[in-house]
Amino acid sequence: GIQVEQSPPDLILQEGANSTLRCNFSDSVNNLQWFHQNPWGQLINLFYIPSGTKQNGRLSATTVATERYSLLYISSSQTTDSGVYFCAVRSGGSNYKLTFGKGTLLTVNP
Amino acid sequence: NAGVTQTPKFQVLKTGQSMTLQCAQDMNHNSMYWYRQDPGMGLRLIYYSASEGTTDKGEVPNGYNVSRLNKREFSLRLESAAPSQTSVYFCASSEPRQSYGYTFGSGTRLTVV
Repeated sequence: GIQVEQSPPDLILQEGANSTLRCNFSDSVNNLQWFHQNPWGQLINLFYIPSGTKQNGRLSATTVATERYSLLYISSSQTTDSGVYFCAVRSGGSNYKLTFGKGTLLTVNP
Repeated sequence: NAGVTQTPKFQVLKTGQSMTLQCAQDMNHNSMYWYRQDPGMGLRLIYYSASEGTTDKGEVPNGYNVSRLNKREFSLRLESAAPSQTSVYFCASSEPRQSYGYTFGSGTRLTVV
């Protein structure tokens, strides 16, 4: 099946810093999502982005499908950005299975 | 608010006991899913239902059964709980014909002792 690798596994920032999280995948995809899991465990859908670029406030994401990677940018980080960021993909050969990476644990210190 | 609702939020079981996790969505989605999340493993698919009346195994189906009761509801049953099933369980739904991805419930934290 499709493989999803996220980097870095852990990231510690000072409030106000910028960061880039990366997601590499091993096959073509028809669905790619970024999720934020907050410290209470809730999974929040940040972006649905199988290709192209999207922005939502301080967050933006870019997927280069032909090169099989996606980037999540967090600018002017805040302590509320802390948590785990997951990339999840669905390949064309798997109609319904969304495969998750192991996540990036982000800690933003005040 | 529209979304995916899971019950219960927390549960402690003794080994060998059975229980059913409930999930309901009010977004008129056709597809529903059950995932489990374990430390360092990300989320893994247990079962899914592509549409009402169909269910299929995911990555880790052993020890579980599911029922797609109607379009809104998708339940997960543990017939004889084992300590290895201690995990956080998430239900999700999606509409494959629309391009906005999956929506997850808030999770059920299950401990089997």
